[in-house]
Amino acid sequence: DVKVTQSSRYLVKRTGEKVFLECVQDMDHENMFWYRQDPGLGLRLIYFSYDVKMKEKGDIPEGYSVSREKKERFSLILESASTNQTSMYLCASIPSVAGGTDTQYFGPGTRLTVL
Amino acid sequence: KQEVTQIPAALSVPEGENLVLNCSFTDSAIYNLQWFRQDPGKGLTSLLLIQSSQREQTSGRLNASLDKSSGRSTLYIAASQPGDSATYLCAVPPSGGSNYKLTFGKGTLLTVNP
Repeated sequence: DVKVTQSSRYLVKRTGEKVFLECVQDMDHENMFWYRQDPGLGLRLIYFSYDVKMKEKGDIPEGYSVSREKKERFSLILESASTNQTSMYLCASIPSVAGGTDTQYFGPGTRLTVL
Repeated sequence: KQEVTQIPAALSVPEGENLVLNCSFTDSAIYNLQWFRQDPGKGLTSLLLIQSSQREQTSGRLNASLDKSSGRSTLYIAASQPGDSATYLCAVPPSGGSNYKLTFGKGTLLTVNP
């Protein structure tokens, strides 16, 4: 079974702090994603990575950056955390984006609270 | 821009009832449609993926159908159980595009009462 893990289930940070959210997948997937999920807004894509050191902006990249130095690890960075970044953050991976037959595998989520 | 709507937003049923969850999308040129389940405070789990050439997919008590021409999909759950209580989301990729930038509906919160 594919396993996607996230470094923390719950995280509390202060405004202005630099925050790192880590995601690791164990199935050699090429593609990894970061979403945030908010009540009433649903899931929104922050960033996408289709290969090591390659990234693409999603719908809401402002205030975030990402890093993918190794294939299995995709990090989301909040350069200066703000209260409006309080949210549930979900990481996902997929073997290939071609063909339309593969599904995305999600991690358990990180509930981030910025005070 | 693709938009995905799920109705109803919440549904409460007694155990044993058969039920249908609805998903509609505005752009019918899709590769596939996926249904996910999300338990409270957890990540998403894929339930079914229907390719554009298929009309339906089944997994156990779940059956998902796809009507591209009308921009609709339904998820049928037979003989519901309390363990089915969760939020169910549908998602579609961009029209003519790859599978990566999914557009999600806001979900249907299902409660199955014992």
